[in-house]
Amino acid sequence: AQSVAQPEDQVNVAEGNPLTVKCTYSVSGNPYLFWYVQYPNRGLQFLLKYITGDNLVKGSYGFEAEFNKSQTSFHLKKPSALVSDSALYFCAVNTGGFKTIFGAGTRLFVKA
Amino acid sequence: DADVTQTPRNRITKTGKRIMLECSQTKGHDRMYWYRQDPGLGLQLIYYSFDVKDINKGEISDGYSVSRQAQAKFSLSLESAIPNQTALYFCATSDPFRGDTQYFGPGTRLTVL
Repeated sequence: AQSVAQPEDQVNVAEGNPLTVKCTYSVSGNPYLFWYVQYPNRGLQFLLKYITGDNLVKGSYGFEAEFNKSQTSFHLKKPSALVSDSALYFCAVNTGGFKTIFGAGTRLFVKA
Repeated sequence: DADVTQTPRNRITKTGKRIMLECSQTKGHDRMYWYRQDPGLGLQLIYYSFDVKDINKGEISDGYSVSRQAQAKFSLSLESAIPNQTALYFCATSDPFRGDTQYFGPGTRLTVL
């Protein structure tokens, strides 16, 4: 069965420090990988995606993610966290079909 | 204006009542979805539609029905609401030419008493 795992329910980081939010996946075929962010009382917003090409993908608000095929991972990173980055982050995968599978989400808390 | 809108944004109803959640989009996408979000469970797909004449069940369709009135409109109904349908509901559209990137509405918080 296809699945997406976000092993951390919450990530805590100090403002100005680098942050990583982890994601691993298990799918058959070549995956399209996504990160979405959800702020309080809002819908999910697209951050970045990997379809093909360069394994390092840059997205909105200074976020980036690295596709690692051998480790089946797609970790979200940012060199310097901001308090305003505090939100719920979802990793998602699509294999070109109708269904996008979402992880359970990781809550990022950035402390000033 | 938002590309994907949902009404109502909040709704409190009683067990056994019929309720409809509405979704409209201006992105011009054919694909539309209804998801349910529960804490710690991510998003679960209720129904999806690839065009006006194509409607499909998702993984948790029991107790729900949908109607695709036009390319831009996709509504979700709970025929007889029950308390465990209390959740946050999201409508989304997607663009298959962008790897099926999803665009979400702001959500409807539904409470069934």
